[in-house]
Amino acid sequence: LAKTTQPISMDSYEGQEVNITCSHNNIATNDYITWYQQFPSQGPRFIIQGYKTKVTNEVASLFIPADRKSSTLSLPRVSLSDTAVYYCLVGLKMDTGRRALTFGSGTRLQVQP
Amino acid sequence: DVKVTQSSRYLVKRTGEKVFLECVQDMDHENMFWYRQDPGLGLRLIYFSYDVKMKEKGDIPEGYSVSREKKERFSLILESASTNQTSMYLCASSLRGRGNEQFFGPGTRLTVL
Repeated sequence: LAKTTQPISMDSYEGQEVNITCSHNNIATNDYITWYQQFPSQGPRFIIQGYKTKVTNEVASLFIPADRKSSTLSLPRVSLSDTAVYYCLVGLKMDTGRRALTFGSGTRLQVQP
Repeated sequence: DVKVTQSSRYLVKRTGEKVFLECVQDMDHENMFWYRQDPGLGLRLIYFSYDVKMKEKGDIPEGYSVSREKKERFSLILESASTNQTSMYLCASSLRGRGNEQFFGPGTRLTVL
């Protein structure tokens, strides 16, 4: 069954590095891996996107192994304001042969002072 | 800045009513999406549209229909609302060829009594 899998929740403290992994074993060949952040009462917001190896921007890094069956969102030195739900979005090859953009079920990150 | 707006933040309807949820984007995006978001299930795609008058079913289209008569507007229609359609509904848009980089509206929380 083609799907994406993320941990349900994670806890951290301010100043720590947080790594959230998404498994997507049926990723479509030419598809990017994208991560979103969602705060309560808001729609998800794009954070970072990558195809392979490593991508870094001002808020996060994204690590993608050579087989691309998983990806890890890395948040350096989190603060209280990083408390949110994080989603991965991947194009998956379905059993029907169709490609379907599929969100993971989300990881709720709680940052403590 | 891309802006995606949804017609209502909160909506309460009765079983059997016809419900219209409206979404408007101001960045001339070709792609538009409708999702529902439920606890523990993440975001599930209902329908998407890649051009005016074009639509494709997502993962859970049953009980829903859509309309895209103008490029900036994408409507979700519940022909006969049922209690199991109580949910958060999120609209998103993206440029053609960049379906992974979606811009979301704030969501409409629909309650069907």
